[in-house]
Amino acid sequence: GQNIDQPTEMTATEGAIVQINCTYQTSGFNGLFWYQQHAGEAPTFLSYNVLDGLEEKGRFSSFLSRSKGYSYLLLKELQMKDSASYLCAPMDSNYQLIWGAGTKLIIKP
Amino acid sequence: EAQVTQNPRYLITVTGKKLTVTCSQNMNHEYMSWYRQDPGLGLRQIYYSMNVEVTDKGDVPEGYKVSRKEKRNFPLILESPSPNQTSLYFCASSPRLAGGSSTDTQYFGPGTRLTVL
Repeated sequence: GQNIDQPTEMTATEGAIVQINCTYQTSGFNGLFWYQQHAGEAPTFLSYNVLDGLEEKGRFSSFLSRSKGYSYLLLKELQMKDSASYLCAPMDSNYQLIWGAGTKLIIKP
Repeated sequence: EAQVTQNPRYLITVTGKKLTVTCSQNMNHEYMSWYRQDPGLGLRQIYYSMNVEVTDKGDVPEGYKVSRKEKRNFPLILESPSPNQTSLYFCASSPRLAGGSSTDTQYFGPGTRLTVL
């Protein structure tokens, strides 16, 4: 079957760095998306990886290893507004997104 | 402004009373989808549409209907709502599917919080 595994919750300090891991098993693979979702709001697109390696976009970076079925989202210089859930979503062979339950990130001052 | 809109944003209704949640996008996207989100669970897909007049079941289609008569609109219909359909619903659209690129990014509407008593 298809499965996504992310930590349920993480806590970090303002100004620090945090890495959110995601392991996945899908039927085929056509890239992996990361979304940010603030409580009660819609998910918003953060990053997309289809090739192995690191994609950097400002304070956020995303890494992919297809052979390991593994991705991570790296957030630097954490700000209070980064408190949100982070959703890992690989795309399967039918080009459907498989959604994990998300990681709730709590930022403390 | 490019966006996905949903209406209503909040709805409290009673068991068995038919309702429709509208979804509209102004980005000329081919792909549209409906999700529900419940505490502790990931987004679960209800139905999706690859293009006009083409709809397919997602993971949790029971109790829901959809239609895609126009490219921009994708309403979600609950013919006889039940309390287990109380949830937060999101509509999403995407420029195209089967590309395997960042153009498969899905853009989400603001959500509809539905309570069925």
